[in-house]
Amino acid sequence: GENVEQHPSTLSVQEGDSAVIKCTYSDSASNYFPWYKQELGKRPQLIIDIRSNVGEKKDQRIAVTLNKTAKHFSLHITETQPEDSAVYFCAANPLTGTASKLTFGTGTRLQVTL
Amino acid sequence: NAGVTQTPKFQVLKTGQSMTLQCAQDMNHEYMSWYRQDPGMGLRLIHYSVGAGITDQGEVPNGYNVSRSTTEDFPLRLLSAAPSQTSVYFCASSYSRQGDTEAFFGQGTRLTVV
Repeated sequence: GENVEQHPSTLSVQEGDSAVIKCTYSDSASNYFPWYKQELGKRPQLIIDIRSNVGEKKDQRIAVTLNKTAKHFSLHITETQPEDSAVYFCAANPLTGTASKLTFGTGTRLQVTL
Repeated sequence: NAGVTQTPKFQVLKTGQSMTLQCAQDMNHEYMSWYRQDPGMGLRLIHYSVGAGITDQGEVPNGYNVSRSTTEDFPLRLLSAAPSQTSVYFCASSYSRQGDTEAFFGQGTRLTVV
């Protein structure tokens, strides 16, 4: 099955700096790559996603890049703010038959310090 | 819309007891899934369903049963609880069975097996 690796496991940046989280996946058939943010004690929520026919997508301070040849994708957060502190998960969706088994990375704990 | 609703929020079980975690969604989503979240391991898929009457196994199905008698409900049953099942459980639903649309998560159930 699909294997998604995520690095780093923890990341500390100063407010205003940029943060980059990287993921690799194993199944070349995966075609959808979402990123979820989970604040402490809360449920995961989608922050951005990218499909395999797109190389880059941006939404205000958040951007995601995808390299299908190398099977890796990255999340970029610019001008970080304290409210960006959370755990971030990447995911990939290998299709099994006609249904997907969305597979998540192990998460990155981002801490934005003042 | 309430979105995805899970009950209970917290539960303590003794080893060998059984229980059902409830999950309901009011978005008319076809695809529903159960994940468990353990420290350092991300979200791992337990079971999923692409519609009423159809279920399939995920990455870690052992010790859990599911059924999908209606579009709205997708309960998760622990037949004989074990300490290894201590975890936070999330139910999720999404519009597309192909996994290429946003997954909406419930608020989670924190289960402790003693």
